[in-house]
Amino acid sequence: DSGVTQTPKHLITATGQRVTLRCSPRSGDLSVYWYQQSLDQGLQFLIQYYNGEERAKGNILERFSAQQFPDLHSELNLSSLELGDSALYFCASSVATGGAYSGELFFGEGSRLTVL
Amino acid sequence: AQSVTQLDSHVSVSEGTPVLLRCNYSSSYSPSLFWYVQHPNKGLQLLLKYTSAATLVKGINGFEAEFKKSETSFHLTKPSAHMSDAAEYFCVVSDRGYNKLIFGAGTRLAVHP
Repeated sequence: DSGVTQTPKHLITATGQRVTLRCSPRSGDLSVYWYQQSLDQGLQFLIQYYNGEERAKGNILERFSAQQFPDLHSELNLSSLELGDSALYFCASSVATGGAYSGELFFGEGSRLTVL
Repeated sequence: AQSVTQLDSHVSVSEGTPVLLRCNYSSSYSPSLFWYVQHPNKGLQLLLKYTSAATLVKGINGFEAEFKKSETSFHLTKPSAHMSDAAEYFCVVSDRGYNKLIFGAGTRLAVHP
């Protein structure tokens, strides 16, 4: 058990809908990362938050947004869903960012999104 | 820009035989490199990391990797495969500030009795 909790584990929805994925990082971890894993794109970095602020952005679509709350949990919002958004969405956390960061991320078990 | 290429999408070995998973990297500066493992229906877990100290890095579960700058490689090895090693393995390079880990496409390791 990595200590990172993601909900829901599975989600089935229709095109055009909006969903919210939730992540609780390990106790004490300030950084939260979101990744998307799909068969055709592999594991893609979406976005990182550190202590409530956006720190780095990857291949995140404009239809997607995220935030980190004062209690350090994070939510990834996916809107106007398309079939191609079906994927496994991982949240990961780490202690810090920048020079003090060891490079080790602790991953949750993912939220599997299916868009029909 | 940093990138990693995993040279095999699938590797199949027999239990008790050596494992070799190949990874080449591209980086404009001395990189930090990692191997992560993903077991079925699980999140990813760090196996080992290289951060410019010893070039031979030992990780968990008997895995090790050697950083070879001249070959821009960071291959993962294990002397003797176990059935429990069956999983997907990702070679990863980080950017300078570690803010973003760049994952390879993954190598699926199958271990046969």
